[in-house]
Amino acid sequence: AQSVTQLDSQVPVFEEAPVELRCNYSSSVSVYLFWYVQYPNQGLQLLLKYLSGSTLVESINGFEAEFNKSQTSFHLRKPSVHISDTAEYFCAVTYSIGSNFGNEKLTFGTGTRLTIIP
Amino acid sequence: KAGVTQTPRYLIKTRGQQVTLSCSPISGHRSVSWYQQTPGQGLQFLFEYFSETQRNKGNFPGRFSGRQFSNSRSEMNVSTLELGDSALYLCASSLDLTPTGELFFGEGSRLTVL
Repeated sequence: AQSVTQLDSQVPVFEEAPVELRCNYSSSVSVYLFWYVQYPNQGLQLLLKYLSGSTLVESINGFEAEFNKSQTSFHLRKPSVHISDTAEYFCAVTYSIGSNFGNEKLTFGTGTRLTIIP
Repeated sequence: KAGVTQTPRYLIKTRGQQVTLSCSPISGHRSVSWYQQTPGQGLQFLFEYFSETQRNKGNFPGRFSGRQFSNSRSEMNVSTLELGDSALYLCASSLDLTPTGELFFGEGSRLTVL
């Protein structure tokens, strides 16, 4: 079964500084990878996803993540954070179509709480 | 288009009681998943329903059950509540079962067991 590791439970960052939230997954087969964001008192929202093609994917609000198959990682980065980025970020993985594990559930990491310091 | 609606948003129960949580997915979405969110554990998958059939189930005891109705609305039930069941229960809907599809989450039902 697949699993996701987010080693950093909390990351404090000064406003306008860069940030990287780490995500490593464990799977022996082809996967799809996702980052979801949860703002205070809200449900989760999809931030970005990697399905295939370019290993670098971007979101509309300046975040990007790079799929690294050799290191089984999908780290999330932003060059300059804002107060509004304060949230909890969840990395998630599932098996890809054609991997003979169709309909497998989405597995989430334990989340990284990003705190922006003014 | 209305989002995923979960009711109730907050509830307090005592040990031994049972609880039913409701989820109305986005119109047209046929798949509904349930997750339990607790600090330090992240999101733990409970089950997934599609066209009134349970398609996937997580590693939770039989006290946790669910169902989906013909209009795609879903309910989950927890019987004989334990203190450890205190959590935010999140419902998510998607168009179908394809793993590439985006999950749309509700704001959750926060259950406190005393």
